[in-house]
Amino acid sequence: GAVVSQHPSWVICKSGTSVKIECRSLDFQATTMFWYRQFPKQSLMLMATSNEGSKATYEQGVEKDKFLINHASLTLSTLTVTSAHPEDSSFYICSAEGLGARDEQFFGPGTRLTVL
Amino acid sequence: KNEVEQSPQNLTAQEGEFITINCSYSVGISALHWLQQHPGGGIVSLFMLSSGKKKHGRLIATINIQEKHSSLHITASHPRDSAVYICAVRARGNEKLTFGTGTRLTIIP
Repeated sequence: GAVVSQHPSWVICKSGTSVKIECRSLDFQATTMFWYRQFPKQSLMLMATSNEGSKATYEQGVEKDKFLINHASLTLSTLTVTSAHPEDSSFYICSAEGLGARDEQFFGPGTRLTVL
Repeated sequence: KNEVEQSPQNLTAQEGEFITINCSYSVGISALHWLQQHPGGGIVSLFMLSSGKKKHGRLIATINIQEKHSSLHITASHPRDSAVYICAVRARGNEKLTFGTGTRLTIIP
């Protein structure tokens, strides 16, 4: 199956700093990327959907100024957590779907963010 | 009522046992996914189904569109199968996935 990578796999930062997480589709062109958040022992929660070259669509309750999403190319989307606080500590997962793979989403391995 | 319900929530079995995890949903769908999440967190897509049955190694997934139900089976279960298994559906006309709460499977040697 197609491969989606995320970087970094884990990050620890101080409160108030910004953290950027990258999501890459390695062997296909990702026309749409999804960003999810997962709290311990809970299911994935969709944060936003991004289509290449256009602004991301955020789910209700997700602050777009805090979680900046950029999808500048068909292989890369980034999520920047701005002015991170301890409550932003979570597991962030991206997924991607692309040309020739309708309806199938491929998931990245996730990024564990810990804000001190 | 959640749009996607899984059962059981937790399942513990002996190595070698045949495992069945169920998923029921309430909306018309274009696709159903079975995902596996290991303790480290990474998610692996096992199957995407829109009808019938798929098999990959010891894993079998079936779906009954009329009954809005899917099952994931694991034959000859092994401790490395221990993980959380998640059912997710894509409603017709919607690109988003709706996730079940997951089934935590533990296989005891």
